[in-house]
Amino acid sequence: EIVMTQSPATLSVSPGERATLSCRASQSVSSNLAWYQQKPGQAPRLLIYEASTRATDIPARFSGVGSGTEFTLTISSLQSEDFVVYYCQQYHKWPLTFGQGTRLENK
Amino acid sequence: EVQLVESGGGLVKPGGSLRLSCDTSGFTFDSYSMNWVRQAPGKGLEWVSSIGKSGIYTYYADSVKGRFTISRDNAKGSLYLQMNSLRAEDTAVYYCVRVGFGNVYWYFALWGRGTLVTVSS
Repeated sequence: EIVMTQSPATLSVSPGERATLSCRASQSVSSNLAWYQQKPGQAPRLLIYEASTRATDIPARFSGVGSGTEFTLTISSLQSEDFVVYYCQQYHKWPLTFGQGTRLENK
Repeated sequence: EVQLVESGGGLVKPGGSLRLSCDTSGFTFDSYSMNWVRQAPGKGLEWVSSIGKSGIYTYYADSVKGRFTISRDNAKGSLYLQMNSLRAEDTAVYYCVRVGFGNVYWYFALWGRGTLVTVSS
């Protein structure tokens, strides 16, 4: 099983600043990596797939980079609604696996 | 408008069974692979099971293999999860999820609102 490790668990950033979230895979997942955002009481929402492709209607302030085992989600100029939880997920091999999540906190 | 609506959740005793359903609309159901993803209270996301667009190919997490069965009815646009021998650790919100456009990769593009399953005596 490919283990996905997200860091940090909680990230404190001020509105208007940039946030950088990391996701590491225990083995290469090529570019088969997605990022999700989950607001309290809601289902997750797809942000990024194939490591760097924004999903439909996702604002340009969300960007993803990486391949192999190291991936980054960057949120530039944080808005109030961005202070929620983010998950990465690999779909390179079965079983499909998620990271444990990063909570973005308003500093 | 694309919709995925789960139903069938509820309270069940350990060892019991439950069948979840997901009714879909707004897209060509038989063109997409489908999935179940769950989230225990206050915890992260866990993939449970996937099924190919024809229903021939199915995949399961080790934690549910042999107890859960995924299926679909393409004529009805519906996805199912039969859950047997339920355990307390199966308590979670279960999401019905569609893969991305083009059905090429197994990322989770569209999510239902979820249905809560509680396993407790």
